[in-house]
Amino acid sequence: EVQLVESGGDLVQPGRSLRLSCAASGFTFDDYAMHWVRQAPGKGLEWVSGIDWKSGLIAYADSVKGRFSISRDNAKNSLYLQMNSLRVEDTALYYCVKGHSSGCCSDWLDFWGQGTLVTVSS
Amino acid sequence: DIVMTQSPDSLAVSLGERATIKCKSSQNVFTSSNNKNYLAWYQHKPGQPPKLLISWASTRESGVPDRFSGSGSGTDFTLTISSLQTEDVAVYYCQQYYSVPLTFGQGTKVEI
Repeated sequence: EVQLVESGGDLVQPGRSLRLSCAASGFTFDDYAMHWVRQAPGKGLEWVSGIDWKSGLIAYADSVKGRFSISRDNAKNSLYLQMNSLRVEDTALYYCVKGHSSGCCSDWLDFWGQGTLVTVSS
Repeated sequence: DIVMTQSPDSLAVSLGERATIKCKSSQNVFTSSNNKNYLAWYQHKPGQPPKLLISWASTRESGVPDRFSGSGSGTDFTLTISSLQTEDVAVYYCQQYYSVPLTFGQGTKVEI
């Protein structure tokens, strides 16, 4: 059974940093691209970033480019999102999501974790 | 970026009746090289993560009831729930994967 378990969400002040983690199990992690997708309170889904199976290709939404960094450790079956210079508008539930294929990033998203909540507020 | 626009924003349908959700992309998401539309549909219930329903505009994911169907091509797509059940109450999103950034429609809330 595929499982994606996010952690690291917290309440932080604007301008601070936070690192999200996602532990994957139930599938061959290094065969697939992985993504982060967020949902702000009362809003829709917004793709944040994606990374291919071997970390060779990475993409970001313009809203986070230069501030967020996605990475993965295939030996640990883990995905990460380093979030710097956080803004109030980054407040959201962040989902770790499995891509359907190994490449990044034109892909559909076939399994989602439960999400971890990031709140940016002073 | 490809903008995805869904209609309506919400709809109320009686049990057993048909629900139809439209999705329009600002650019063509069809590729003639493989004859595919790069369009997916998701179901999002409160307190749960989104669930993939359909890929390639019309291919149902394994385990998805056959009352869910997707159609359309190019820039205009439709998700149809042929006979609405109580468990279908959710927000539905379309998503294009033709190009990065991946983009979603704003969502359509389906109620009984």
